[in-house]
Amino acid sequence: DAGVTQSPTHLIKTRGQQVTLRCSPKSGHDTVSWYQQALGQGPQFIFQYYEEEERQRGNFPDRFSGHQFPNYSSELNVNALLLGDSALYLCASSFPRGIRSYNEQFFGPGTRLTVL
Amino acid sequence: AQKITQTQPGMFVQEKEAVTLDCTYDTSDPSYGLFWYKQPSSGEMIFLIYQGSYDQQNATEGRYSLNFQKARKSANLVISASQLGDSAMYFCAMREGRETSYDKVIFGPGTSLSVIP
Repeated sequence: DAGVTQSPTHLIKTRGQQVTLRCSPKSGHDTVSWYQQALGQGPQFIFQYYEEEERQRGNFPDRFSGHQFPNYSSELNVNALLLGDSALYLCASSFPRGIRSYNEQFFGPGTRLTVL
Repeated sequence: AQKITQTQPGMFVQEKEAVTLDCTYDTSDPSYGLFWYKQPSSGEMIFLIYQGSYDQQNATEGRYSLNFQKARKSANLVISASQLGDSAMYFCAMREGRETSYDKVIFGPGTSLSVIP
């Protein structure tokens, strides 16, 4: 059973460019969340997708946008890249109606984005 | 205002000893959940343990236990019998509100744990 996968593993972009990161959730999961983790800090919640809609959003500008496809995979798009966007971008999937009493999030390995 | 506080940037523990990682949180919602995650140098976040605000007993998962003190808004992680593989960053996290189909999870700044042989 494949876990959460993310692509690409590493990415180098220059300021002002646009980037798309991809995430495939764990089999059976229908909810995808995206996090930004700057070096030495905890992950910061960007947004969450469920049923192809953005359900929750953190304190990130509109330059950060996303999409969820019918197969539950998701993309994170960042426009007009800034140096401060350099970070590890983590994708997490969950299945809200699981047997546990909580929504356990399974994380992917992340995409390391470097903006020069 | 910071919702999750982890006051120990770095911790050292001798192999086979127990260690407690501190976490305090701030919320006015009576319904919430608390998580602990481990992040090795490889970068992947690994779920360790969960505590619901209405759970009567402290959560335990193998060598991990959560010392939940609701009145103090404290949710410390206890790792018993530390192993070299426990060396990693540890994050405390919180979900506010009633469990729904979609959750926003807030993470603390993390504690770096180093296990000494």
